[in-house]
Amino acid sequence: DVKVTQSSRYLVKRTGEKVFLECVQDMDHENMFWYRQDPGLGLRLIYFSYDVKMKEKGDIPEGYSVSREKKERFSLILESASTNQTSMYLCATSVQRGGVSTDTQYFGPGTRLTVL
Amino acid sequence: DQQVKQNSPSLSVQEGRISILNCDYTNSMFDYFLWYKKYPAEGPTFLISISSIKDKNEDGRFTVFLNKSAKHLSLHIVPSQPGDSAVYFCAASIGGGGAQKLVFGQGTRLTINP
Repeated sequence: DVKVTQSSRYLVKRTGEKVFLECVQDMDHENMFWYRQDPGLGLRLIYFSYDVKMKEKGDIPEGYSVSREKKERFSLILESASTNQTSMYLCATSVQRGGVSTDTQYFGPGTRLTVL
Repeated sequence: DQQVKQNSPSLSVQEGRISILNCDYTNSMFDYFLWYKKYPAEGPTFLISISSIKDKNEDGRFTVFLNKSAKHLSLHIVPSQPGDSAVYFCAASIGGGGAQKLVFGQGTRLTINP
């Protein structure tokens, strides 16, 4: 059973603070993703990574960066938090089979971030 | 530019009846489609998927139908149960190398009434 954990369920930060959201998976999946979920907008991809130290921008990378130093851990960084980054942040993983990624992604429980 | 659209934000169905959730897409390159279910304060969980080479996939009470010419897919739940009350997201991807990115719809909140 895939286990994806996120460091905090709820987080409150102030405008301008640097924020770190951590995601850890225990299934040795190659691919990891960060999404944000907002009402009426669904899930939007921020960044993803298909290998250690590799990262690619998703659809809404502005204001965010990521770090993947170890296979099991993928961090999302808000360099200077703003109120429009108040959202539910979801981490997901997927496996590669024979070097080809599979489509099914497994999600963590999410972090509800509020920026005041 | 919303490539995957769920035009019904909410749906209410009587317990025991059929629930039909709809999803439309605009990108004809999508070749794999998934449905996820999400309870409040939890991450989405995978429900069922379908490849573009098929037009139907069934798993227990859940069936997904794909109409490629109309760029439309639907999820049928029968019979509907109270535990099915959740937000449902459809998602689509394009095959090929690299990490498969999913494009999600806005979600439909399904409420099953006893």
